[in-house]
Amino acid sequence: QVQLVQSGAEVKKPGASVKVSCKASGYTFTSSGISWVRQAPGQGLEWMGWISGYNGDTKYAQKFQGRVTMTTDTFTNTAYLELRSLRYADTAVYYCARNALLWRSFDYWGQGTLVTVSS
Amino acid sequence: EIVLTQSPGTLSLSPGERATLSCRASQSVSSTYLSWYQQKPGQAPRLLIFGTSNRATGIPDRFSGSGSGTDFTLTISRLEPEDCAVYYCQQYGSLPPMYSFGQGTKLEIK
Repeated sequence: QVQLVQSGAEVKKPGASVKVSCKASGYTFTSSGISWVRQAPGQGLEWMGWISGYNGDTKYAQKFQGRVTMTTDTFTNTAYLELRSLRYADTAVYYCARNALLWRSFDYWGQGTLVTVSS
Repeated sequence: EIVLTQSPGTLSLSPGERATLSCRASQSVSSTYLSWYQQKPGQAPRLLIFGTSNRATGIPDRFSGSGSGTDFTLTISRLEPEDCAVYYCQQYGSLPPMYSFGQGTKLEIK
């Protein structure tokens, strides 16, 4: 069965960087892309960007351009999200989700990683 | 950028009733690229409906989706207590290529 397992919670200071991992299993990693979606406490869902599992192509939401990098490791079937210059407003649960290519939906989700930005 | 507006913000209904959740887009959305998700507290979202009206694997037929253009609807017939959750619509647009979510509708079961 398809599973996305994310790394554990992080606490970072303002201005620091964080890197979250998402290990995929149960499907051919290179046949789908991975999106990253975040959710601030008590708020809705916000799409951050997408990375192809096939060739590493990326598309980032304009809001995060210049501050985010998404990468993959096809040997370990793992996707990574790096967010730099962290601000208090970046405190959120970060989810990875598999892109269903044909329908442009997110058919499987990781369990989420809480990133807390605190001094 | 397409903005999705969901209504109502909160819906409070009794078991066995029918829930109708609305998602309105600021411009036309391809029906192929309109999806719905259910999120319960402390859990990741779960895909319910893709391509406007197709149920995802394991989703009961009490859940149905419809709509076109700028107006889309998620209907839950015969509400059950476990349907208590926040529901989000989501679309994909190609110019520029990006995804967006509605702000969510909270469904309470009395």
